[in-house]
Amino acid sequence: GNSVTQMEGPVTLSEEAFLTINCTYTATGYPSLFWYVQYPGEGLQLLLKATKADDKGSNKGFEATYRKETTSFHLEKGSVQVSDSAVYFCALSEVASSASKIIFGSGTRLSIRP
Amino acid sequence: GAVVSQHPSRVICKSGTSVKIECRSLDFQATTMFWYRQFPKQSLMLMATSNEGSKATYEQGVEKDKFLINHASLTLSTLTVTSAHPEDSSFYICSATTTSYEQYFGPGTRLTVT
Repeated sequence: GNSVTQMEGPVTLSEEAFLTINCTYTATGYPSLFWYVQYPGEGLQLLLKATKADDKGSNKGFEATYRKETTSFHLEKGSVQVSDSAVYFCALSEVASSASKIIFGSGTRLSIRP
Repeated sequence: GAVVSQHPSRVICKSGTSVKIECRSLDFQATTMFWYRQFPKQSLMLMATSNEGSKATYEQGVEKDKFLINHASLTLSTLTVTSAHPEDSSFYICSATTTSYEQYFGPGTRLTVT
């Protein structure tokens, strides 16, 4: 069945460091891929998405590219801020929108030191 | 943006009792709501999909008689954990979709069964 694997946390970085959170997936067909973020005390928010191979999703300085050949969707940011501290979830859906069933990775907690 | 609330945020109950968790879409009408369960340091696992005015669709392995879901209106869905046991202790998260076909997540409810 479909699944998502992401790097375990916690990840601790200094402000302005480069961030990579790895995510790989297993799926039949052509899933859509998502990154969600959960700030302390809040619900999950969609950070970015990509619906087909080679698409790049981007938002708030974060980027991720849908790589079909490596079945990956790694999250990157060139210079992190303290306000980026949160839990990040990689996820996939079998259809283009997130209105259907979503399969989540286990989440990666990110902490940024001032 | 779209806001989803959950109530209560935390609940402690005794083994054998029932607990009701509410999920509300505050500023939009949600035709579909999802209920997820999250164990510590693990993925969000979809429990059921709830459409307004119809019976919920449960994922494989989820007991529908134990986890009762009601979606009586376009802004409210409830999850009732019946005859709760310590193994039901978990973090329960709901989400709701609008015509924009994005899922908006609630902040979650932490259930502890003693």
